[in-house]
Amino acid sequence: DVKVTQSSRYLVKRTGEKVFLECVQDMDHENMFWYRQDPGLGLRLIYFSYDVKMKEKGDIPEGYSVSREKKERFSLILESASTNQTSMYLCASTDPTGGQYEQFFGPGTRLTVL
Amino acid sequence: DAKTTQPTSMDCAEGRAANLPCNHSTISGNEYVYWYRQIHSQGPQYIIHGLKNNETNEMASLIITEDRKSSTLILPHATLRDTAVYYCIVRVANTNAGKSTFGDGTTLTVKP
Repeated sequence: DVKVTQSSRYLVKRTGEKVFLECVQDMDHENMFWYRQDPGLGLRLIYFSYDVKMKEKGDIPEGYSVSREKKERFSLILESASTNQTSMYLCASTDPTGGQYEQFFGPGTRLTVL
Repeated sequence: DAKTTQPTSMDCAEGRAANLPCNHSTISGNEYVYWYRQIHSQGPQYIIHGLKNNETNEMASLIITEDRKSSTLILPHATLRDTAVYYCIVRVANTNAGKSTFGDGTTLTVKP
C-alpha cells in the first residue's frame, strides 16, 4: 500500500516564524501536492510538483514556497508564518504512469499560528 | 475541471445501503469521476473512479448516468465507520498534474 507520511500531526508556531512541513511518500510517485483545508472552503491547492526540482503554483501559493530535492520528499515552507495560515495542511502523491491519477493523501498537519 | 454539486449532508441506517448523489452537468468527455472520503482528522482516502461505465470495488459501487451528467456512489452495507465526508470530483486523468478540486462534499452520518 502507498504510504504518505507527514512530519507532524499537530504544530503550534508563532507569527513570523519560519515553518517547514515535510511530506514523504514511499511508492516512487512522480507527482506530489500540498493542499490546505479550511471549513467551508474545501481543499485548496497550494503547490504541486511533477518531478524533482520542478514545482508549479496552485490556486493559493501566496505566503508559501516548496522544495523537492528528492523524489520521495516534498516540503512546504512558510517563510514568515501568519495567523491566517492556521489550517489543516494535507500532502498527496500520485503515480501518473498508470493513467488513472488517484491521489493518496497523508494524515494531515494541523498548524496553529499564534 | 468541471464542478460538482453534492448535498451537504445525509443520514443512513447501519446495515442499509448509502446512496450518495453527485451532479456534474458540465463534465467533459475526457473527464473522470472520482470519489474520495475523509474521516474526521484524517486525510482523504480514494474510494473509486470511473469514466462512463459503472464500476465496483471492495469498498463501493459507482453508477454513472448515460449522459454522464450525474453519478451515485453506493456503499452497499453502511457501517458506523463509514461516517465521513464524501467528495465527488471530476477531472482529466491523463495530465502531469492530476490535481483535484475538492469542494465541501457530503457529510454522511451512519446511525445505529
